[in-house]
Amino acid sequence: DVKVTQSSRYLVKRTGEKVFLECVQDMDHENMFWYRQDPGLGLRLIYFSYDVKMKEKGDIPEGYSVSREKKERFSLILESASTNQTSMYLCASSLGGWADTQYFGPGTRLTVL
Amino acid sequence: GQSLEQPSEVTAVEGAIVQINCTYQTSGFYGLSWYQQHDGGAPTFLSYNGLDGLEETGRFSSFLSRSDSYGYLLLQELQMKDSASYFCAAAGSSASKIIFGSGTRLSIRP
Repeated sequence: DVKVTQSSRYLVKRTGEKVFLECVQDMDHENMFWYRQDPGLGLRLIYFSYDVKMKEKGDIPEGYSVSREKKERFSLILESASTNQTSMYLCASSLGGWADTQYFGPGTRLTVL
Repeated sequence: GQSLEQPSEVTAVEGAIVQINCTYQTSGFYGLSWYQQHDGGAPTFLSYNGLDGLEETGRFSSFLSRSDSYGYLLLQELQMKDSASYFCAAAGSSASKIIFGSGTRLSIRP
């Protein structure tokens, strides 16, 4: 079974802090994704990566950056956290193209005070 | 703009059949996926329609009509464990064109 893990289940940070969210997948998937999920808005794509060191912006990249130095690991970075970034963050990976089945991690609920 | 529309809530009775609709408007379209998410859990893949027609996977079926920009998820023999949120997701011409609907919360009554 594909396993996608995220570094924290719950995280509380203060405004202005730099925040790192880590995601690791164990199935050698090419594609990895970061989403945020907010009530009534569904999942919105922040960034995705189709290969090591390769990334593309999704729908809402502002205020975020990403890093993919190794195939299995995809990090989401909030350079200076703000209260409007309080959300559930979900990481996903897929084997083939981006239209392929995505496997999601358990999510990180981030609260920015 | 790009959007997917699906009902916010649906209620059904255990053992019955329920259909969750999804209409989409995207620039470039490759297919429609469906995901299930239980409260506090991660979304899990249910089905994908790349072509028009019906795809069946056990109690779940999914349908796509490209000419109508419409799809649905059909759940049969409903069980209490099917109470969850269901999301449709449209795959566009690139990964940056993946969009999810806002989700349909399915509540099942005994």
